[in-house]
Order: sequence, then C-alpha cells, then structure tokens
Amino acid sequence: QLQLQESGPGLVKPSETLSLTCTVSGGSISSSSYYWGWIRQPPGKGLEWIGSIYYSGSTYYNPSLKSRVTISVDTSKNQFSLKLSSVTAADTAVYYCARHEKVRDNWFDPWGQGTLVTVSS
Amino acid sequence: SSELTQDPAVSVALGQTVRITCQGDSLRSYYASWYQQKPGQAPVLVIYGKNNRPSGIPDRFSGSSSGNTASLTITGAQAEDEADYYCNSRDSSGNPLFGGGTKLTVL
Repeated sequence: QLQLQESGPGLVKPSETLSLTCTVSGGSISSSSYYWGWIRQPPGKGLEWIGSIYYSGSTYYNPSLKSRVTISVDTSKNQFSLKLSSVTAADTAVYYCARHEKVRDNWFDPWGQGTLVTVSS
Repeated sequence: SSELTQDPAVSVALGQTVRITCQGDSLRSYYASWYQQKPGQAPVLVIYGKNNRPSGIPDRFSGSSSGNTASLTITGAQAEDEADYYCNSRDSSGNPLFGGGTKLTVL
C-alpha cells in the first residue's frame, strides 16, 4: 500500500525558506505516468496546488507561486522535496504531499497526513 | 481567469440523496475529481475520471458532469459522510485547480 509522509520544520521565520520532504513508501517514486505533488491548506481555508514533479525531474508549478517554489526529487531515497522562499504569514498552512495522476487525467491519491508550517518570528 | 465554484454549505437528511456541485468553464473540457476531508484529516479521493471510485469508497458516491458543472452525488447519505468536499480540475493552462469546498452536514 502506497504511503506518503511529510517531514520538516514546523516553524519558519518570515523572509526565510520553507523546506519540506515527502518520503514515499510501499512503491517506487520512479513509477511511470505518475507525478508527485505538493498541496497546501491555510487554517480554515481551501486547498491550493503548489506544484508537481516527475521522477525524471520535470516540474510544473502554480503560476502564482512559481517565482518562489522549487520542487526536487531524489529517486535513490524515494523522496521529493519542496522549497518555498521569502515566506510570509500568508504561507502558514498545512502542507500535503500526494501522488499526482497528471497525464491521462487529473487527481491526487493517496495523500500524506500533512504537516503544519507556521511562519512567525 | 479560471475558477471552480462550489456552494459553501449543503445539508441532507440521514438516508437521503444529496448533490454537491462544482461550476467552471474548464469543466467543459476536463473531468473533475472529488475529495472528502474530515476535520483534522488529509483529503481522500472519492471520485475521479468520468465516474470512477477508488478501492474502498462506497458505491453510494457517484460523479457526473454536464456542460460547465460537475456533480458529486451521495445516494443514501450516512452520518460518516459529514465532511468538507472539494472538486479538482484544471485551469485554462492545464494546471490543477481546486474548488473552494462544500461543507456537508448530515441531519
């Protein structure tokens, strides 16, 4: 059974860079046809797609965040990572990673449990 | 700009049928996927594609689409179906886009 788990600091200072890692277990991140995505949810609000990556390293990002986002993949560790630079309080959210079917359709499944990142000094 | 619009809140009597809708121009070209999110939990995919349910999702959940509107129907709603529901499709550039979510209350 495929499982994803987010990890990283729960508190980041304003203007600094948020860094999170998603570890995939029960399957290979190198599986063909699937991307791997990051989605966030501010407290009490809806879901926002951040970006997705293919195991080859091909990425695509939400245009509204593109200037601040970098997503990378480490196939040897079965992990992919998110970096979000110049964070502000508006970046406070629960961050989820998920497998992303992008080619034939568009859906996210399964999701990690999520990790709350608070931006505060 | 692309948007997916959902009613903020919907209620249904226990055992009755409820339809949760998602409107957007991109739905004329792309299917919607639907997610159930209970408090403090991660979203769970319940419908994808034309009308597909992942393994483990009860058959009381179904999806449909007409024009610019996608719908999630729960036939015979149960107490455990009380949750937030989000639709997901693509924007005009093909990027993933989520609706604002619908809070379902089972009375």
